[in-house]
Amino acid sequence: QKEVEQNSGPLSVPEGAIASLNCTYSDRGSQSFFWYRQYSGKSPELIMFIYSNGDKEDGRFTAQLNKASQYVSLLIRDSQPSDSATYLCAVTIQGAQKLVFGQGTRLTINP
Amino acid sequence: ETGVTQTPRHLVMGMTNKKSLKCEQHLGHNAMYWYKQSAKKPLELMFVYSLEERVENNSVPSRFSPECPNSSHLFLHLHTLQPEDSALYLCASSQGQGAYSDTQYFGPGTRLTVL
Repeated sequence: QKEVEQNSGPLSVPEGAIASLNCTYSDRGSQSFFWYRQYSGKSPELIMFIYSNGDKEDGRFTAQLNKASQYVSLLIRDSQPSDSATYLCAVTIQGAQKLVFGQGTRLTINP
Repeated sequence: ETGVTQTPRHLVMGMTNKKSLKCEQHLGHNAMYWYKQSAKKPLELMFVYSLEERVENNSVPSRFSPECPNSSHLFLHLHTLQPEDSALYLCASSQGQGAYSDTQYFGPGTRLTVL
């Protein structure tokens, strides 16, 4: 079983709709969860992090964490063509300086 | 300069060459990382340095040799590489003092091609 799993996609969403990206992880000790966005040919950039169960909202982005189900998701409201990128889920264990990344989900927003 | 910088941005080398990748962070962080990103594969952690000491070596071949002279600089020395080592090499840094400071910030990467 992979430590962090994501559907590689591609996921196509019409402009203005909600894009939903999902991630599951295997280690119940994971404490910190991150979503990174990576445009083609560029380095990953942090979008959000979440530590507690529930929802965390930042602008058009909402991260959702369910530790019991070992599941973290990212919702993008009012999707824009500029949101087209690969989204990487990453998890870490508290105190450990090691992020484990999923393979990423490629998202395409269609105008 | 701000954030995390990497040089060179692109590198083409032969299998017998020796080259070095450089990373510099301007964030006052205590931990630095090297990652390898190959096509269609997850980011692979290679090395972690915390306060200039190596704390992680993720089973990386000895043809990759890291060096961290201080908390702001990180090098990756390359020698006798193989074509399958061609990839994007990313440097990152973090505060490194616990869960709430585990956020890592990435540099732009070095695109390496081994002929």
